[in-house]
Amino acid sequence: DAGITQSPRHKVTETGTPVTLRCHQTENHRYMYWYRQDPGHGLRLIHYSYGVKDTDKGEVSDGYSVSRSKTEDFLLTLESATSSQTSVYFCAISEDLRNYLRFGPGTRLTVT
Amino acid sequence: DQQVKQNSPSLSVQEGRISILNCDYTNSMFDYFLWYKKYPAEGPTFLISISSIKDKNEDGRFTVFLNKSAKHLSLHIVPSQPGDSAVYFCAARGYGGSQGNLIFGKGTKLSVKP
Repeated sequence: DAGITQSPRHKVTETGTPVTLRCHQTENHRYMYWYRQDPGHGLRLIHYSYGVKDTDKGEVSDGYSVSRSKTEDFLLTLESATSSQTSVYFCAISEDLRNYLRFGPGTRLTVT
Repeated sequence: DQQVKQNSPSLSVQEGRISILNCDYTNSMFDYFLWYKKYPAEGPTFLISISSIKDKNEDGRFTVFLNKSAKHLSLHIVPSQPGDSAVYFCAARGYGGSQGNLIFGKGTKLSVKP
């Protein structure tokens, strides 16, 4: 879906280093989300945003922070990466609360 | 505690036959249910949804059934095609809750054999 891009698509990093993942949308949607997908866990919500500078925690927010300074960009930061944060990270957007979420292509992050 | 459960990790069906994927939920405040399909190395894509005021929704080969009293929903794919082979996630959202967040099940991997 060209309306949602994630960068980088793959990253390998070392334990203790900071990492920032970027989600960019061209749809001008108000709501943006970060999920992680792990085997045996499905998709779990990390953080979400309901507008510029408006963010809140999800189910698995420990160790993560987010920022949204523009409508189109939602950044996910791992302040000090740990091996338990090895995962596939998906960004999603939604026009309003009653609509389905559209997902980006994902970022595969490996923390060694 | 898991609020959305997909108890079958995998399902294998023959091409042309019906695929039935099941999902159970525990929270009676959920009022909107969705199915997503996911291919390897891609993001999940929305497939079909159903509101809690309905018991059935159809879209081509895909039909979702909702049984509120049993807190159960199912996705029927008829006829199944090899291109349907993917992981299917059931998801639910509560009324006005948590800014539209979806709660997902763990997924069921569907394999459709030619």
